[in-house]
Amino acid sequence: QKEVEQDPGPLSVPEGAIVSLNCTYSNSAFQYFMWYRQYSRKGPELLMYTYSSGNKEDGRFTAQVDKSSKYISLFIRDSQPSDSATYLCAMSAAGRRALTFGSGTRLQVQP
Amino acid sequence: GAVVSQHPSWVICKSGTSVKIECRSLDFQATTMFWYRQFPKQSLMLMATSNEGSKATYEQGVEKDKFLINHASLTLSTLTVTSAHPEDSSFYICSARETGYEQYFGPGTRLTVT
Repeated sequence: QKEVEQDPGPLSVPEGAIVSLNCTYSNSAFQYFMWYRQYSRKGPELLMYTYSSGNKEDGRFTAQVDKSSKYISLFIRDSQPSDSATYLCAMSAAGRRALTFGSGTRLQVQP
Repeated sequence: GAVVSQHPSWVICKSGTSVKIECRSLDFQATTMFWYRQFPKQSLMLMATSNEGSKATYEQGVEKDKFLINHASLTLSTLTVTSAHPEDSSFYICSARETGYEQYFGPGTRLTVT
């Protein structure tokens, strides 16, 4: 079983929809959680960074962490065709240098 | 802020030659840099982790004599693919972190070995 599970998709939604992307994890030591967006043939771009449980909002993006359920989410409001990309969750434990990534969810926003 | 550059963005080389890829943190000092490899429609595969002035730590299954990593300064790391073969063709991405846990990624380098 992988440490981080993420549905690969593709997830197809109409423009303007609210998108929910999720990851589950098994390592209770994870405390630092990130969401990256990767366009085809580009490097990942950091979207959200949260520590421990709770919510964090930045523009159209909201990240949620539920450590009791070992579940993290990224919500995208008013989705746009330009949001079409692969979204990777990543996490780390205290003292660990490397990140553990999910496999990525491919999102397609249809105009 | 937190910009990481990579050079070149794409390179084609002949089998048996060596290729060097540079990774630079432009507006911060990177205490740790990472090198990843990514195959089409797959997630990132960590190859190695390096700290400035120290030898790189390679992941299991990654040949350290084939993928030479040098982290000479707090803003520069290089990956040299030695004696490249067609199976080394891939998308190589570096990332850097300062003191936090988040990593900032470069734009990637597409390597094609003919």
